[in-house]
Amino acid sequence: EAGVVQSPRYKIIEKKQPVAFWCNPISGHNTLYWYLQNLGQGPELLIRYENEEAVDDSQLPKDRFSAERLKGVDSTLKIQPAELGDSAVYLCASSSNRGSPLHFGNGTRLTVT
Amino acid sequence: EDKVVQSPLSLVVHEGDTVTLNCSYEVTNFRSLLWYKQEKKAPTFLFMLTSSGIEKKSGRLSSILDKKELFSILNITATQTGDSAVYLCAVLGNTGKLIFGQGTTLQVKP
Repeated sequence: EAGVVQSPRYKIIEKKQPVAFWCNPISGHNTLYWYLQNLGQGPELLIRYENEEAVDDSQLPKDRFSAERLKGVDSTLKIQPAELGDSAVYLCASSSNRGSPLHFGNGTRLTVT
Repeated sequence: EDKVVQSPLSLVVHEGDTVTLNCSYEVTNFRSLLWYKQEKKAPTFLFMLTSSGIEKKSGRLSSILDKKELFSILNITATQTGDSAVYLCAVLGNTGKLIFGQGTTLQVKP
């Protein structure tokens, strides 16, 4: 089966610019996660979807971050405006249900200059 | 507050050595504990542990969970340079939330 697909693989932007990341989960996986991973740290959850509903967005900085999963399949994570501290790897993951292992995409490495 | 703590944070061994990585947790509504291996890119799934005392094994890797003492270990025997990676422990709650530890960076020298 095809894995979780993320794009772009790398992104370099200047601070205060907007940026968007895209994720296509494994076919049939209802649950989709966005994680942020800083260097030397474990991934931290930003938002979790079950189908098109955001069931946990408590860690999402809503003043600048937004996400959507309109048709319950692929998802977009946006940052506007980006800050220097947003430089990190943004990982998308999916699972078939809430009790199953998560499968991760390769991530988008964001550098804000 | 839910948390997952891994130790050691980093480890350097030589090929052929055996290593044990530790993971302790404090999580409400525990469902399962997962181990992932992360090289340059995506974390790849290794094991999911749900029951205490039952060892899961895959080749030279094995893992076990102790739900009474709230910890898990990941063993790697006869290490190879290809085992060099960050090993992540994560705990899955009943709500579907997955919380990660900070990872253990393993370097295996030839």
